[in-house]
Amino acid sequence: DSGVTQTPKHLITATGQRVTLRCSPRSGDLSVYWYQQSLDQGLQFLIHYYNGEERAKGNILERFSAQQFPDLHSELNLSSLELGDSALYFCASSVQWNSPLHFGNGTRLTVT
Amino acid sequence: AQSVTQLDSQVPVFEEAPVELRCNYSSSVSVYLFWYVQYPNQGLQLLLKYLSGSTLVESINGFEAEFNKSQTSFHLRKPSVHISDTAEYFCAVSEGDTGGFKTIFGAGTRLFVKA
Repeated sequence: DSGVTQTPKHLITATGQRVTLRCSPRSGDLSVYWYQQSLDQGLQFLIHYYNGEERAKGNILERFSAQQFPDLHSELNLSSLELGDSALYFCASSVQWNSPLHFGNGTRLTVT
Repeated sequence: AQSVTQLDSQVPVFEEAPVELRCNYSSSVSVYLFWYVQYPNQGLQLLLKYLSGSTLVESINGFEAEFNKSQTSFHLRKPSVHISDTAEYFCAVSEGDTGGFKTIFGAGTRLFVKA
């Protein structure tokens, strides 16, 4: 058990809809990272938050947004969903900026 | 810009045989290097890391990797694999500072250990 909790585990929704994925980092970890894993794109870095502030952005679409709250949990919001957004979305946390990542078990999003 | 290349998408190997999973990276600054393993229906788990110091790093389950700066490689090896090593292995490169940090992953290598 990595200590990182992601909910929900599975999500099925229709095109054009909006969903919110939630992540609770390991106790004491200030950094939260979001990744998208798909068969054709591999594991893509989306965004990094540290103690509530956005610190780095990767290949995150404008339809996607994220935030980290004062209690350090994070949410990834995906809107105007398209079929191509179907993927596994992972959250990871770390204690320091250069520490290894601890991954949750992911949220599997299916857009129909 | 960072990039990570895992040269083999799939590696089939017989049990008790040696294996090497290859990883090359590109980066313009000093980096930290990692190998992660992903078992089916699970998130990634850290296997081993190179931050500084000795260029040869080892994991608790018999894997080792060697950082080669001149060849910008971080290949993963195990002298004798087990069926339970069947999984997907990801090489990762991290760079940044307190202002912002990115970990970029390779496409993964699926290790399949046959009896």
